[in-house]
Amino acid sequence: DIVMTQSPLSLPVTPGEPASISCRSSQNLLHSNGYTHLDWYQQKPGQSPQLLIYLASNRASGVPDRFSGSGSGTDFTLKISRVEAEDVGVYYCMQGLQTPYTFGQGTKLEIK
Amino acid sequence: EVQLVESGGGLVQPGGSLRLSCAASGFTFSSHWMSWVRQAPGKGLEWVAHINQRGSEKSYVASVKGRFTISRDNAQNSLFLQMNSLRAEDTAVYYCARVMTTVTTDFDLWGPGMLVAVSS
Repeated sequence: DIVMTQSPLSLPVTPGEPASISCRSSQNLLHSNGYTHLDWYQQKPGQSPQLLIYLASNRASGVPDRFSGSGSGTDFTLKISRVEAEDVGVYYCMQGLQTPYTFGQGTKLEIK
Repeated sequence: EVQLVESGGGLVQPGGSLRLSCAASGFTFSSHWMSWVRQAPGKGLEWVAHINQRGSEKSYVASVKGRFTISRDNAQNSLFLQMNSLRAEDTAVYYCARVMTTVTTDFDLWGPGMLVAVSS
């Protein structure tokens, strides 16, 4: 199985400041179809997860442009340009290259 | 309204069975791969199973293989998860999730989740 490793696991951020979450996979996530199957999800307290970024760098519909995804191969990053109070929650990366699809441990973003 | 709504959860004894349902509405259900994802209390997300549009391709995480069966009824716009031989470690909120397109594997629509508690 592909192992997904996130860091940090806890991320206190001052509103208005940037934030960055790293995700590393144990295998290259580039598919033969040319797509890199790495997604980012946000789970706010008491809610279902919500897709933020798909195929490593594509923002999902309705996601604010302060969220961005980058990376390739085995190293990926989710960046929030200016954190807002509503961004509190847990962020997960997930590989969809091969089953079983696997998630990172989650990064808990909190407001300082 | 585009949505997924799970039902059928609850408390079950170890070794028991439960069938989860997920009702889809507001989109063409038969055009999408569908998945089940679970989250144990206070823990992270775990992909459980997926099924293709016609129900001819299925895959499971190793820990549920042989005990859980995913299925769908496109005429009823419904997804199912038959869970047998349940264990305490299956206790979780179970989410049904829609795969966005035929070339991606991301989940762009999630249900609110349904709690399954396995305990004597």
